[in-house]
Amino acid sequence: DVKVTQSSRYLVKRTGEKVFLECVQDMDHENMFWYRQDPGLGLRLIYFSYDVKMKEKGDIPEGYSVSREKKERFSLILESASTNQTSMYLCASSSHELSSGNTIYFGEGSWLTVV
Amino acid sequence: KQEVTQIPAALSVPEGENLVLNCSFTDSAIYNLQWFRQDPGKGLTSLLLIQSSQREQTSGRLNASLDKSSGRSTLYIAASQPGDSATYLCAVNGNDMRFGAGTRLTVKP
Repeated sequence: DVKVTQSSRYLVKRTGEKVFLECVQDMDHENMFWYRQDPGLGLRLIYFSYDVKMKEKGDIPEGYSVSREKKERFSLILESASTNQTSMYLCASSSHELSSGNTIYFGEGSWLTVV
Repeated sequence: KQEVTQIPAALSVPEGENLVLNCSFTDSAIYNLQWFRQDPGKGLTSLLLIQSSQREQTSGRLNASLDKSSGRSTLYIAASQPGDSATYLCAVNGNDMRFGAGTRLTVKP
């Protein structure tokens, strides 16, 4: 059974803290993604990675960075958390050929509250 | 830039009713379109994927159609059940994957 695991389901952090959100997939997928989901806005892509040590900016990368040192792990980093980063964060993975109809798999999400 | 719209934003129906959820997109140059289900506080689960060359896909009580030329897809749910209550999102895969904001469905017993 395919699995995308987000280690932290619920976090509360203070403004200015550095926050790490971890994601691990067990499907040997090349592609990994980080989205945030806000009411009425749908999913917005923050960053994605096509391979180890590679990263590409999505639509809303400001205030975030990512790390992919190993194929199975993709970390989202909030360098200095702010209240407008309070959101649900979703990690996803897929095999290379998304255009060929390979589906994308999502983790359960991480709820981050910044106070 | 691809824009994906889902109407209605919320829908409430009695159990047993057949219903249609709508998804529209602005750029018809797509590889495929996917419908997802999201339960409250959870991630997304893929329901159906339609390739750009296909017109529809079926899985159980679910049927998804795609009209690429008009930029529309529908998700048809037959004989709805309370367990179908969730948010349904469509995602269009072109140069990148774009999601709609979802339709929140409530099926009342």
